[in-house]
Amino acid sequence: DIVMTQSPDSLAVSLGERATINCKSSQSVLYSSNNKNYFAWYQQKPGQPPKLLIHWASTRGSGVPDRFSGSGSGTDFTLTISSLQAEDVAVYYCQQYYSPPYTFGQGTKLEIK
Amino acid sequence: QVQLQESGPGLVKPSETLSLTCTVSGGSIGNYYWSWIRQPAGKGLEWIGRILSSGSTNYNPFLRSRVTMSLDTSKNQFSLKLNSVTAADTAVYYCARSYGANDYWGQGTLVTVSS
Repeated sequence: DIVMTQSPDSLAVSLGERATINCKSSQSVLYSSNNKNYFAWYQQKPGQPPKLLIHWASTRGSGVPDRFSGSGSGTDFTLTISSLQAEDVAVYYCQQYYSPPYTFGQGTKLEIK
Repeated sequence: QVQLQESGPGLVKPSETLSLTCTVSGGSIGNYYWSWIRQPAGKGLEWIGRILSSGSTNYNPFLRSRVTMSLDTSKNQFSLKLNSVTAADTAVYYCARSYGANDYWGQGTLVTVSS
């Protein structure tokens, strides 16, 4: 199985500041034939299902604000929130969909400082 | 707008079979993978498996011996069966549409394993 490791486990950022979450996979999730990273980020608020934020490592999901961005390739990925809003308080998960089982990271809890 | 809704018993006895159904509305079940993901209270997400509209499946090896997924295209539904459940299977179970990533999710249903 591909192991996904997020850092940090929790993060407190002031409103309007930048938040950065990292995810590392135990093997590359870059598919060489199409040069796509089979990697996603999700946001989960309490009592709600996860919401797709980013897929293919850097493509925003439908309706996702442009303050959310994804970067990285191969084994190292980053989710950046450029200017933290109050509604961004949530747990964020990464996931690889390169090879079943499609494993998730352990989650990063984002709070307001 | 695609919507998914899980249904099934909220309480299952140990050693029995957990059975859930996901009903898809606002779109056809064809041409996509459909997944089950679970989340124990206060913990992270665990991928259970997926089924393609053709019926082919991928299961998490951790659960493979106990899991069966199926679908009913006439009803636009897909299902999960997990047998020989224990307290460790207590979780919120989500169904989701998957083309790779999971873009549409159900609200989730809590299944408790207890006698």
